[in-house]
Amino acid sequence: QKEVEQNSGPLSVPEGAIASLNCTYSDRVSQSFFWYRQYSGKSPELIMSIYSNGDKEDGRFTAQLNKASQYVSLLIRDSQPSDSATYLCAVNVHNQGGKLIFGQGTELSVKP
Amino acid sequence: EPEVTQTPSHQVTQMGQEVILRCVPISNHLYFYWYRQILGQKVEFLVSFYNNEISEKSEIFDDQFSVERPDGSNFTLKIRSTKLEDSAMYFCASSTDAEKAYEQYFGPGTRLTVT
Repeated sequence: QKEVEQNSGPLSVPEGAIASLNCTYSDRVSQSFFWYRQYSGKSPELIMSIYSNGDKEDGRFTAQLNKASQYVSLLIRDSQPSDSATYLCAVNVHNQGGKLIFGQGTELSVKP
Repeated sequence: EPEVTQTPSHQVTQMGQEVILRCVPISNHLYFYWYRQILGQKVEFLVSFYNNEISEKSEIFDDQFSVERPDGSNFTLKIRSTKLEDSAMYFCASSTDAEKAYEQYFGPGTRLTVT
């Protein structure tokens, strides 16, 4: 059974701090990894994708991938109250028609 | 910026009725998907569709479900005989066929309530 695991939180950080969100996955043939942000009652919004080991930075967001440890993370620098949302980790497995397997999501709360 | 659209935003139906959920994917995208999210639960994959056929489907996507691309813009999900447990948010998503094939962009969703 392929699984994607995340701490459900809530993770609470003060405004301006770094928020660190973690995700582990069980399938060794997973090849593409994504972070989505979901505000309450809204749809998932793609914020980062990462395909190879290492770090990928986009503005205040950095995704980190370690395939040997089956671990992917998202760092949010200079966290803002508007970053308060649920962050979903999603994994794509090769040759499964683009199917994304989602984690439960981590709820992030950024306090002013 | 192009976006995926879905109609209706909210659909209420009685158990046993047929519903059709509609989606207009991003215009240059070629891969289309349906997901659902039961309140408080994970986003779950239902089906992927490419080149006018199903690429992959989950165990949830049984004979009661079907998908169709009736024209060049719409992508539909039909549930033939709805059950109470079909109540959920249904999201359509689309992606390109280039190297970013699996970067999927989601529509705003249709909330389906089965009574």
